[in-house]
Order: sequence, then structure tokens, then C-alpha cells
Amino acid sequence: DIVMTQSPDSLAVSLGERATINCKSSQSVLYSSNNKNYLAWYQYKPGQPPKLLIYWASTRESGVPDRFSGSGSGTDFTLTISSLQAGDVAVYYCQQYYSTPYTFGQGTNLEIK
Amino acid sequence: QVQLVQSGTEVKKPGASVKVSCKASGYIFTNYYMHWVRQAPGQGLEWMGLINPSGGGTSYAQKFQGRVTMSRDTSTRTVYMEMSSLRSEDTAVYYCVKDRWEGVAVSGTLGYWGQGTLVTVSS
Repeated sequence: DIVMTQSPDSLAVSLGERATINCKSSQSVLYSSNNKNYLAWYQYKPGQPPKLLIYWASTRESGVPDRFSGSGSGTDFTLTISSLQAGDVAVYYCQQYYSTPYTFGQGTNLEIK
Repeated sequence: QVQLVQSGTEVKKPGASVKVSCKASGYIFTNYYMHWVRQAPGQGLEWMGLINPSGGGTSYAQKFQGRVTMSRDTSTRTVYMEMSSLRSEDTAVYYCVKDRWEGVAVSGTLGYWGQGTLVTVSS
């Protein structure tokens, strides 16, 4: 199984500041035949189901604000929130869908400083 | 709009079975794979497996092989996840999740999540 490791486990950022969450996979999730990284990011707020934010490592899902961006390739990925809003408080998960079983990082708890 | 409506909270004793349902609407049911993901208290997200609502084919994470059965009823646009031999560690919120992409192949991108069903296993 591909192991996904996020850092940090928790993060406190001031409103309007940048938040950066890292995700590392135990093997590459880049499919050479189509040059796509099989990596997604989800936002999980208390009392709500998770929400897809980013897929193919850097493509924003429809309706997701452009302050959310994803980057990286191969085994190292980053989710960046350019200007933190109060509504962004949540746990963020990366997930690989390169191979089954699809696996998630342990989550990063994002709070307001 | 897409809706995935799951069945209600369940409380089960160890060794029992549970069957969670997920009724879909707002899209062509047979065109999108459906996944099941769970989250135990204080734990992360865990992918359990998937079902192809068109042909009924399934794929399970090895951890759940032999204990989980996913099925579907196309007439009611409902998918089911049944887990047997429940133990306390199976206490979790279970989600059905529609694949992001339409088509013959599963993508694994978890596009739309049901509201979740809490299953509590306790003696």
C-alpha cells in the first residue's frame, strides 16, 4: 500500500496569512503514460462530510476559491491557502488514487492563530 | 443536484452485522462508481472499497475482504455496504462517495460525499 504522510499534524495561521500543508507519498503517484499525478486534497469541517478541493495534484474542483492551490509532482505535494479565511478552519487530507487501496494522509488540523 | 442520502445511526453489539444504505439522485446512477470511506473517532479517513453500480462489480481493500459486501439496487438507485463480525474498532462514521468522473473506469477521485452514517459497536 502507498503510505501518505502529511506535515505538520496541526497548523495555526493568522487570518489573511498563507497556510501551507505538505504531503509525501511512499512511492510516486505520477502516471507516466498521461503525466498526471493521482493526488487529491479534501477539506473536512466538523459536522460536514469531506469536500473535494483539488485533484490531479493541482486542478481546483469547481466552486473552490482560487486562494486554494495545489502543487508538486511524484512523491511531494503541497496545498497552499494564500490568504486564510475564518471559514477555512478544518482538517485537510491528501489522498492518492494511483492504486488501490486508495490511501489518505493522517490529516492536518488547520486553526486560526 | 447530486444527493446521496444515507441511512440512520446504528448501534450494534460485537459480532453482529450492519447494513448501511445510500440512495442516490440527481445524476445517472449507473455511470459513476461509488466508494465507501470510514472515519473512526480520532482517526483519519480510510477507504474501504468500491462498487460499479452498472454491473455490480466490486473491489475491496484487503483489510475488509471477507467481512464487507457492497451491493446495489438499480431500481431504487441505492447502494449498500454490509459489514459482518463487527468489533469495537468498527465504530466509525461511514460515508458513501460518488466518484468524480463518469465513465467505464474508476478514477478514485472522491467527488461527492454522503452525509455519513454513524455505526457504534458496543456491548
